[in-house]
Amino acid sequence: DTGVSQDPRHKITKRGQNVTFRCDPISEHNRLYWYRQTLGQGPEFLTYFQNEAQLEKSRLLSDRFSAERPKGSFSTLEIQRTEQGDSAMYLCASSVKNEQFFGPGTRLTVL
Amino acid sequence: EDQVTQSPEALRLQEGESSSLNCSYTVSGLRGLFWYRQDPGKGPEFLFTLYSAGEEKEKERLKATLTKKESFLHITAPKPEDSATYLCAVQAGGTSYGKLTFGQGTILTVHP
Repeated sequence: DTGVSQDPRHKITKRGQNVTFRCDPISEHNRLYWYRQTLGQGPEFLTYFQNEAQLEKSRLLSDRFSAERPKGSFSTLEIQRTEQGDSAMYLCASSVKNEQFFGPGTRLTVL
Repeated sequence: EDQVTQSPEALRLQEGESSSLNCSYTVSGLRGLFWYRQDPGKGPEFLFTLYSAGEEKEKERLKATLTKKESFLHITAPKPEDSATYLCAVQAGGTSYGKLTFGQGTILTVHP
């Protein structure tokens, strides 16, 4: 399978715990995006990487959120001190031109 | 601020009953308008990109069109397997780095 992959697919955590998600983009896609989607809404942009450089961050990305793409390949999104409002689907997408291809997402539930 | 509004929020059709979904947008310099299909619990699946007013794209029973203010996704003779949420998104030009601004989606249900 050569699509975008995300791990884990589901994560249940208690409020206050830290969580980390991983995204593996399509091979040779130099652009990588993170989005968050809540029930009944469209995805909302969180952050963008071109190769290993993080070039744009949304105001939605509070200081509890951090993302990395250390070697310009896979990316991680960490949420520290999770809150119930962080419960959502976290989507990763990659592209080489304008069209973005999404992974299956990580469903986060904060109890 | 870029904005996308989709209507209707939900649409129920009988198999074979053609209809259209609407996507109205405001954006500072449109680079592209995108349509995605999303099945429950899955990530969005890319369908079309439209770049300029008057452009049309087709795929099986789906046809997307674009004007300067809105886009339509026409569904001809739909089948139950077309049931999904259809998302519209815009990409602005300039230094936006390609982020997509999505609408809330239209939930399409096709009954046999």
